[in-house]
Amino acid sequence: RKEVEQDPGPFNVPEGATVAFNCTYSNSASQSFFWYRQDCRKEPKLLMSVYSSGNEDGRFTAQLNRASQYISLLIRDSKLSDSATYLCVVNPDSWGKLQFGAGTQVVVTP
Amino acid sequence: EAGVTQSPTHLIKTRGQQATLRCSPISGHTSVYWYQQALGLGLQFLLWYDEGEERNRGNFPPRFSGRQFPNYSSELNVNALELEDSALYLCASSLYISTYEQYFGPGTRLTVT
Repeated sequence: RKEVEQDPGPFNVPEGATVAFNCTYSNSASQSFFWYRQDCRKEPKLLMSVYSSGNEDGRFTAQLNRASQYISLLIRDSKLSDSATYLCVVNPDSWGKLQFGAGTQVVVTP
Repeated sequence: EAGVTQSPTHLIKTRGQQATLRCSPISGHTSVYWYQQALGLGLQFLLWYDEGEERNRGNFPPRFSGRQFPNYSSELNVNALELEDSALYLCASSLYISTYEQYFGPGTRLTVT
């Protein structure tokens, strides 16, 4: 079983619509969680950290479910510029080794 | 404020040669991380340096090595290059305590022929 699993997509989303996707992680002792976005052949950019209580940043909402070991990301009012691959990232311990999912591709269409 | 910088942008080497990649962290960040992203694959953790010391290492052979300098910049060295070492090598930095967010540089694309 992979340490971090994501639906690769693509999720084809009309502009203005809402899209949500999950990621599951295997290590129940994982300490911190993040969503990054990566554009084609570019570096990952931190989108948001995911806190236990869930958090929102503008049109983006992240949720953490420790009992079921999954993290979700919801994007409201999708923009064309939201088209990217979204990486679910888990820090399983305090030793610097982030675990990356393979990414979920989102394509926002006009 | 400047982000993480990496050099060179592209590097072409032949099999058996050595490659040296460089990274400068965000000012004030003491931890530097190296990752490998092969084409079509996810990011794989290579190394973590903090305060000049190697703190953790991923599942890579010893020919992948590096160091961190007193100014917190870092080098990644890959010896005896193999064709499968062709990948995007990403450097990230964070404040110490690795639970802090990591910020990535633009990467060095290494091609081994």
